[in-house]
Amino acid sequence: EAGVAQSPRYKIIEKRQSVAFWCNPISGHATLYWYQQILGQGPKLLIQFQNNGVVDDSQLPKDRFSAERLKGVDSTLKIQPAKLEDSAVYLCASSFFRSRELFFGEGSRLTVL
Amino acid sequence: DAKTTQPPSMDCAEGRAANLPCNHSTISGNEYVYWYRQIHSQGPQYIIHGLKNNETNEMASLIITEDRKSSTLILPHATLRDTAVYYCIVKISGTYKYIFGTGTRLKVLA
Repeated sequence: EAGVAQSPRYKIIEKRQSVAFWCNPISGHATLYWYQQILGQGPKLLIQFQNNGVVDDSQLPKDRFSAERLKGVDSTLKIQPAKLEDSAVYLCASSFFRSRELFFGEGSRLTVL
Repeated sequence: DAKTTQPPSMDCAEGRAANLPCNHSTISGNEYVYWYRQIHSQGPQYIIHGLKNNETNEMASLIITEDRKSSTLILPHATLRDTAVYYCIVKISGTYKYIFGTGTRLKVLA
C-alpha cells in the first residue's frame, strides 16, 4: 500500500516569497491533516480536512497560510508571504474515517532566508 | 484539551526494556491515550493506543494506571533502531484531533 506522498521534500526561499506544498494521502483516507514542526518541537496542527471540508483551522495563520483539498483527495498548503519563523517541516497525515491511526508523510522541509 | 507531560530524554541499554512514562492527569473518561514515535527526518509513526486496559502489539506494550492519570510505554527489547522521539498524545474526545507535546527523546545505547 502506498504511503502518504509529499512534495517537495526540501525548499529554500527568501522571506516575502511564496511557497506551496502538495500532499497525496493514502487512497480512501477521508481525513487529512497538515502539521507544522519547528526544530526541537512536536508537530503542531495547522488544519484538518474531512473529505473536502475544513474541520479545524483554528491554528492556521490565515493572513499568510491557506490550504485546500479539492475533490477530497490531494491537498495543497500555501504560504504567502513567507516569514523567517515559517522555517519548519510541514507534515501531512491522513487517516481512514473513524480510524484511530494517523499515517504521516516524510514531510517538506522549508527554509526561509 | 487534555495535556500530557513526558521527560525530555531517556537512555536505555540495547536489549533491555525501555519504559517511557507519561502523565495525563486531566484526561477525560472517554479519551484515548496514543503513542507515536518519530525517527530522525521521518514523519511520526503510530505505535499503540489504549483507553483503560493494558494493550500489547508487535511493537510495544501500553500500561495505563487504574485512575488513567498516567501511562507507560514499554519497548521490551530495545534496539538501536528504537532511538527516536516518543510522543504521548491524548486524542480530544469526539474529534479526530491529535495534539502533540514535545515528547521524550529515547537514546538506545550499544
